[in-house]
Amino acid sequence: DAKTTQPPSMDCAEGRAANLPCNHSTISGNEYVYWYRQIHSQGPQYIIHGLKNNETNEMASLIITEDRKSSTLILPHATLRDTAVYYCIVRAIYNTDKLIFGTGTRLQVFP
Amino acid sequence: GAVVSQHPSWVICKSGTSVKIECRSLDFQATTMFWYRQFPKQSLMLMATSNEGSKATYEQGVEKDKFLINHASLTLSTLTVTSAHPEDSSFYICSGSGQGGFGAFFGQGTRLTVV
Repeated sequence: DAKTTQPPSMDCAEGRAANLPCNHSTISGNEYVYWYRQIHSQGPQYIIHGLKNNETNEMASLIITEDRKSSTLILPHATLRDTAVYYCIVRAIYNTDKLIFGTGTRLQVFP
Repeated sequence: GAVVSQHPSWVICKSGTSVKIECRSLDFQATTMFWYRQFPKQSLMLMATSNEGSKATYEQGVEKDKFLINHASLTLSTLTVTSAHPEDSSFYICSGSGQGGFGAFFGQGTRLTVV
């Protein structure tokens, strides 16, 4: 079962920051937070992951609360191409662990 | 990120025939492969997990004799849908995970339509 809770949908104006929240209150000490997104009719795309420190890459920033029970994915300047379903997943570091997808957040970026 | 190539991207087959979907990791060794199925407007459902050289582990409710998974090498896994029926029509997605535990990378998906 998915271990995360996300809002079903969000809207964001183009050029503005999109902040997507995720609750993972039962996260274990060895579990990372991963974010993926799925654009319509494509396979999921890896965005970012983190353990406890905030992370940033060319796509997004990940802010993890100090107690690690929630996190926020930030797309600093959303574009229309960022319209997708965003999935927050918790997973241990071991590469055999499953990636279990919840229902995700459908982000709609509008002009 | 790492690249996973899935083929074909779409296929139409007649009811009762079998269809094979290939999943290749192009620039890393995928010690573990995951196969998912996704119905319209739903999330991805994990079907099975396979480790290179071992038998696949199927999720509850997934028929292992219907969905044959082979993971014979570190760069190739295949899913064969045997005796396909219209209810098997779906979007099938593979994912590869390599050593180092750096998440998993997904193929572009295969849309299967059984007529």
